[in-house]
Amino acid sequence: NAGVTQTPKFRVLKTGQSMTLLCAQDMNHEYMYWYRQDPGMGLRLIHYSVGEGTTAKGEVPDGYNVSRLKKQNFLLGLESAAPSQTSVYFCASSWESNTEAFFGQGTRLTVV
Amino acid sequence: AQSVTQPDIHITVSEGASLELRCNYSYGATPYLFWYVQSPGQGLQLLLKYFSGDTLVQGIKGFEAEFKRSQSSFNLRKPSVHWSDAAEYFCAVGAVFNYGGSQGNLIFGKGTKLSVKP
Repeated sequence: NAGVTQTPKFRVLKTGQSMTLLCAQDMNHEYMYWYRQDPGMGLRLIHYSVGEGTTAKGEVPDGYNVSRLKKQNFLLGLESAAPSQTSVYFCASSWESNTEAFFGQGTRLTVV
Repeated sequence: AQSVTQPDIHITVSEGASLELRCNYSYGATPYLFWYVQSPGQGLQLLLKYFSGDTLVQGIKGFEAEFKRSQSSFNLRKPSVHWSDAAEYFCAVGAVFNYGGSQGNLIFGKGTKLSVKP
């Protein structure tokens, strides 16, 4: 059971570089989410998707873009990385809204 | 707006002692409630959930939680803590999902870090 898989697990970027984080789920879930986790801040929603081809902004969307071209994949892009984007990023998916979300193992991103 | 409060940032208990982690929520209707656990360097794992019915719910790893509507609480308990329970615990409420809004489906508290003394 793969569940939710995130790649990469670790990454160091220089300020201004770009990168894409990949999330893949094999549970046929409609809903997918990207969160960031920072000490003392809990989990904050960046963007989410309610189905293939849809995306919407969450609580902290600035500096990020997303795409959901295939139902099983949800990509998070950083066009021009900033030190403030140093964080741990989690992808999650759920069958319906209000139901439990299943989380990936996280991507630890450091921007120097 | 929906919100979740975990009043304790960090709790330390002795191994074998009982544990209670507090969670209060703000929500207009009957909520869906969840507890997740995060071990260091890991993702979040669901411990238990409450949707309806019996207000005392059992979860994995010997945890239970009690929904108290009058107190807007969903506290997590364990009778005897093991060293392997040291982790961060997150309470979450399933929000009314409004596509285009910023809240998504789950509203998380900021977490309670549990340390276990030998």
